[in-house]
Amino acid sequence: DIQMTQSPSTLSASVGDRVTITCRASQSISRWLAWYQQKPGKAPKFLIYKASYLESGVPSRFSGSGFGTDFTLTISSLQPDDFATYYCQHYNSYSPAFGQGTKLEIK
Amino acid sequence: EVQLEESGGGVVQPGGSLRLSCAASGFTFRSYWIHWVRQAPGKGLAWVSRINGDGSSTNYVDSVKGRFTISRDNAKETLYLHMSSLRAEDTAVYYCARERDYGPGEAFDIWGQGTMVTVSS
Repeated sequence: DIQMTQSPSTLSASVGDRVTITCRASQSISRWLAWYQQKPGKAPKFLIYKASYLESGVPSRFSGSGFGTDFTLTISSLQPDDFATYYCQHYNSYSPAFGQGTKLEIK
Repeated sequence: EVQLEESGGGVVQPGGSLRLSCAASGFTFRSYWIHWVRQAPGKGLAWVSRINGDGSSTNYVDSVKGRFTISRDNAKETLYLHMSSLRAEDTAVYYCARERDYGPGEAFDIWGQGTMVTVSS
């Protein structure tokens, strides 16, 4: 099975900062990668699919890139509502796999 | 409004059984692949199982094979997860999630709010 590894596990940043979260697949997954945002006690929220396509309604400060095994989620200018945990996910598989999560904290 | 709503969670003893439900509304339920994803307390998301639109195709993570059964009733627009031989490590919030764009093999665009399952004596 394909394993997904995110880094860092925790990221401290301030409002207005540009931040990048990395996700690495244990083997090539083409562009079959999604990103989700989760806040405490809430369900995950779908942000990005096919590595770089923004879901409708997601602010344009979010962007994704990558192909093969290395992917990134970038938030161009952090807003207070963005502090949450972010998960990458490989889909298009009989066994979809999530990364372990990156917690984005207020510095 | 497109929605999924889980129910059926609770406290169950090790070795016991439980059935979770996921009621859908606002979309053509029978056209979509639906998944179960769980999250143990303080941990990350973990995929559990999936089922296609007519219920003829299912997949499971190895740790639940032979113990969990996913099914659906399209007339009732409801997804189920029958869980048996429950273990402490099955303790988690269980979410149902819809694949976008009819699937298969798509990202999960709609999620329920989750239902908590606690396996404890």
